[in-house]
Amino acid sequence: DAGVTQSPTHLIKTRGQHVTLRCSPISGHKSVSWYQQVLGQGPQFIFQYYEKEERGRGNFPDRFSARQFPNYSSELNVNALLLGDSALYLCASSLIQNQGFGYTFGSGTRLTVV
Amino acid sequence: AQSVTQPDIHITVSEGASLELRCNYSYGATPYLFWYVQSPGQGLQLLLKYFSGDTLVQGIKGFEAEFKRSQSSFNLRKPSVHWSDAAEYFCAVVPVKAAGNKLTFGGGTRVLVKP
Repeated sequence: DAGVTQSPTHLIKTRGQHVTLRCSPISGHKSVSWYQQVLGQGPQFIFQYYEKEERGRGNFPDRFSARQFPNYSSELNVNALLLGDSALYLCASSLIQNQGFGYTFGSGTRLTVV
Repeated sequence: AQSVTQPDIHITVSEGASLELRCNYSYGATPYLFWYVQSPGQGLQLLLKYFSGDTLVQGIKGFEAEFKRSQSSFNLRKPSVHWSDAAEYFCAVVPVKAAGNKLTFGGGTRVLVKP
């Protein structure tokens, strides 16, 4: 069975540009969460989506947005990129929304903003 | 404020020696507790988790963790480290009564294994 799939694996963007990151959850998983991991730090929660609705939002500016599609895949969008947005973006899927159940992480998308 | 602390940023251990990584949390009630491992350039792999019950939890790759309520700790241990255990380790929590499943991570501990 395929795990959590993220694309692209790496990309380089220029300050001010827009970026879209994609995540396909494990088959049957209805919840997708996004995390930002800046080099040398632990991941920080950005969003959680369940059944195509936003169920949680971390302390990130409005430049960050996301959505979940009917097939439960998800996109993370970041507008007006800043140098500080350079990070590894991780997607995690879980079977249901509730806390405590298993989360499976993808390998991430490495975003570099220059 | 709610937080997760991993006091050791780096730990160097000889292959075959034992390893213990510390994790302390600050929450109003005992949260759900997790340990994840991250190899360079990779995502996070779940080692083990604690929800309730037996305070000694067994995980994958020979790791175990002990929950101590009185110390608000959830330390990770391995009796004999292999070179492949060199990685970054993250402790994470989810508050029991929180909506959704937001994981809060500690800052991580990087483990270096000497031959």
